[in-house]
Amino acid sequence: DAGITQSPRHKVTETGTPVTLRCHQTENHRYMYWYRQDPGHGLRLIHYSYGVKDTDKGEVSDGYSVSRSKTEDFLLTLESATSSQTSVYFCAIGGGQKNTEAFFGQGTRLTVV
Amino acid sequence: KQEVTQIPAALSVPEGENLVLNCSFTDSAIYNLQWFRQDPGKGLTSLLLIQSSQREQTSGRLNASLDKSSGRSTLYIAASQPGDSATYLCEDNNLFFGTGTRLTVIP
Repeated sequence: DAGITQSPRHKVTETGTPVTLRCHQTENHRYMYWYRQDPGHGLRLIHYSYGVKDTDKGEVSDGYSVSRSKTEDFLLTLESATSSQTSVYFCAIGGGQKNTEAFFGQGTRLTVV
Repeated sequence: KQEVTQIPAALSVPEGENLVLNCSFTDSAIYNLQWFRQDPGKGLTSLLLIQSSQREQTSGRLNASLDKSSGRSTLYIAASQPGDSATYLCEDNNLFFGTGTRLTVIP
């Protein structure tokens, strides 16, 4: 496995509360990504990072923010969780450059009640 | 908007059959294309990465081709096995995924 760890793996939270998901890598990859996966929509990019403190929005960024203060950690924050953000969240590293494979974490299942 | 389309959405075949999964993309300026498999409740496992300068890539029973001019990639699985049952996804490396093909190989 490409050293990617997501935490927590499962979380249930209430509507309106802030939630932070963590992605930690040991591969020293420059690029890191957050995706969400929903039935009927497949995987959609939320935000990505191309270096420490360098981030950009993806296809479905509304309601989410990210931070990357260290190469190894990429945090995804739901500022005020809503039921529509119930999903499985995946972190990935690599890709984003020519000839580089992307590798995925095992996912975080988030339920907003 | 860039799009990645995978056809068929689901496929069921008997064990031993050769099969082809299709991926179409709209961005002809892609760097490369990557195929993944996903088992239920699990993350994505990288299968093959085809660079834009290549036309195909092989790993064991898997062969993936890339035709940038037509915006198509195919994943060929030879002599399918029940363990190949999973969802197969392609990504155009500009961060867009197809919705996948769910493959079932019947023993």
